[in-house]
Amino acid sequence: KAGVTQTPRYLIKTRGQQVTLSCSPISGHRSVSWYQQTPGQGLQFLFEYFSETQRNKGNFPGRFSGRQFSNSRSEMNVSTLELGDSALYLCASCEGHSVGVNEKLFFGSGTQLSVL
Amino acid sequence: KNEVEQSPQNLTAQEGEFITINCSYSVGISALHWLQQHPGGGIVSLFMLSSGKKKHGRLIATINIQEKHSSLHITASHPRDSAVYICAAPTGNQFYFGTGTSLTVIP
Repeated sequence: KAGVTQTPRYLIKTRGQQVTLSCSPISGHRSVSWYQQTPGQGLQFLFEYFSETQRNKGNFPGRFSGRQFSNSRSEMNVSTLELGDSALYLCASCEGHSVGVNEKLFFGSGTQLSVL
Repeated sequence: KNEVEQSPQNLTAQEGEFITINCSYSVGISALHWLQQHPGGGIVSLFMLSSGKKKHGRLIATINIQEKHSSLHITASHPRDSAVYICAAPTGNQFYFGTGTSLTVIP
């Protein structure tokens, strides 16, 4: 089975722009969760989608949003980019919902976003 | 106060040494995850455990749910074990992470 695929791998944007990141989960996995990783804050949970519905959400402003399609692929959008949004954005997939409670997560390689 | 605390933050070991990384958490969980992240970003899930001990090769993870504490041990450490190790606590609607332990194993 192919692993979790994230595109693009690297992205450079300027302040005020918006960005969309993509995540294709492992075949058969219906849950996709997103994370932000920065040197200062470490890994932080953004949100989880299961069967096209957002199930859980971390403590991030409304500029961070996402969606999930019927084939379980997910996109994450950040609007009005700020310098502090520069980070590695990771997604993970698993079969069930309630992210991480009952099963291991499978992570993608991440998208490195730089905001100038 | 962070919901998940890890120690030590940095660790340097000689090849062959026995290594222990500790994780304490304050949230209510039914299972805890140990993750490994190599330079370049990719994260691999090493263990998910809800009680007792799990072993995979030279890696051993233990957890005491009552004391809210977990440890990751690496026996006979090797330079390829050099990575950041992160413990993670899912509560069902949130996912809390430790700040990570950066391990360097010197040949």
